[in-house]
Amino acid sequence: KQEVTQIPAALSVPEGENLVLNCSFTDSAIYNLQWFRQDPGKGLTSLLLIQSSQREQTSGRLNASLDKSSGRSTLYIAASQPGDSATYLCAVRRGKNYGQNFVFGPGTRLSVLP
Amino acid sequence: NAGVTQTPKFRILKIGQSMTLQCTQDMNHNYMYWYRQDPGMGLKLIYYSVGAGITDKGEVPNGYNVSRSTTEDFPLRLELAAPSQTSVYFCASSYSSSSNQPQHFGDGTRLSIL
Repeated sequence: KQEVTQIPAALSVPEGENLVLNCSFTDSAIYNLQWFRQDPGKGLTSLLLIQSSQREQTSGRLNASLDKSSGRSTLYIAASQPGDSATYLCAVRRGKNYGQNFVFGPGTRLSVLP
Repeated sequence: NAGVTQTPKFRILKIGQSMTLQCTQDMNHNYMYWYRQDPGMGLKLIYYSVGAGITDKGEVPNGYNVSRSTTEDFPLRLELAAPSQTSVYFCASSYSSSSNQPQHFGDGTRLSIL
């Protein structure tokens, strides 16, 4: 059974710092992995999607990497800003059938202090 | 273009009551999903639909029902509310099950069963 964990559960950093969020999954046979951002009282916003054949994806100050063999993904945020404060979730898609194949981690709550 | 709209935003129910959580999207997406998010946990898939008239169970379907009479709408029904159904419910949609198609989420319905 696929399980997704995220460490740490919460993180507080000063503005301008570079930081890394971690996501681990137990079954390396994945179809893709997505990182989402969730603001308080809001739904999820897709940040980056890495397909199983890819090693990383970049969007602006965000870079996500994927190492299937070790069951890990990292989300790197460069030059953090207070507006980056949110909960970041990773989700693993197990197969092409979209039904029961999306497993979410519990999230990392990030606070960037001005 | 409103995206995914969920109503109501908040609701308190008594044990045994029933209600319908509404979800509509204006992006002409074929795929729609219902998730629940419990505190400190990742999202869990309740039901999903791949098109009008087609629905299927997700990971945690017990106690819920869905219908998909139109492409735009995907309501979730609770027939006999139980305290274990206290949660935040998210509706999402995507154009297809293709690996590079992200899901778009609504802002959620916060439901308390007392």
